[in-house]
Amino acid sequence: DIQMTQSPSTLSASVGDRVTITCRASQSISSWLAWYQQEPGKAPKLLIYKASTLESVVPSRFSGSGSGTEFTLTISSLQPEDFATYYCQQYITYPYTFGQGTKLEIK
Amino acid sequence: EVKLLESGGGLVQPGGSLRLSCAASGFTFSTYAMSWVRQAPGKGLEWVSGISGSGGNTYYADSVKGRFTISRDNSKNTLYLQMDSLRAEDTAVYSCAKTPWYSDAFHIWGQGTMVTVSS
Repeated sequence: DIQMTQSPSTLSASVGDRVTITCRASQSISSWLAWYQQEPGKAPKLLIYKASTLESVVPSRFSGSGSGTEFTLTISSLQPEDFATYYCQQYITYPYTFGQGTKLEIK
Repeated sequence: EVKLLESGGGLVQPGGSLRLSCAASGFTFSTYAMSWVRQAPGKGLEWVSGISGSGGNTYYADSVKGRFTISRDNSKNTLYLQMDSLRAEDTAVYSCAKTPWYSDAFHIWGQGTMVTVSS
């Protein structure tokens, strides 16, 4: 199975900050990577697919990059509603696997 | 509007069985692959199982292989997860998720149904 590792596990930041979350795959997944945002008690929300393509209605302050085994999610200017947990997921092959999550907290 | 509504969760003893359902509406159900994803209390997301639009291809996480069975009834627009030989570590919220036509990522999720395995 492909292992997905996110870093950091927790990130403290302030409104207006630029933040980056990293996701590493245990083997190449080309660009078959998605990023999700999950608020407490809510279903995950798809932000980015194919490593860098923004899902419709997702604000442009979110961006994704990378290919192969290393990927990043960047939020250019944090807004209050962005404080949540973020997950990466590979979908190049079954079983699909998620990263362990990165909790973005208010500093 | 595209909607997914799970049901069938509850409290079950270790070794017991449970069948989850996911009722879909607002799209041509048979056209899309579907998956089940679970989240244990306070933990991250874990993909559990997936099925092709026709139902002819099924996939499982190693943690549930041989114990869980995914299926679908396209005439009823419903996805199922038959869970047998349940263990305490299967305790989680189980959600169904849909892929869009342009990706195999999950763009629509249900709200989930809670499964608790405990004596």
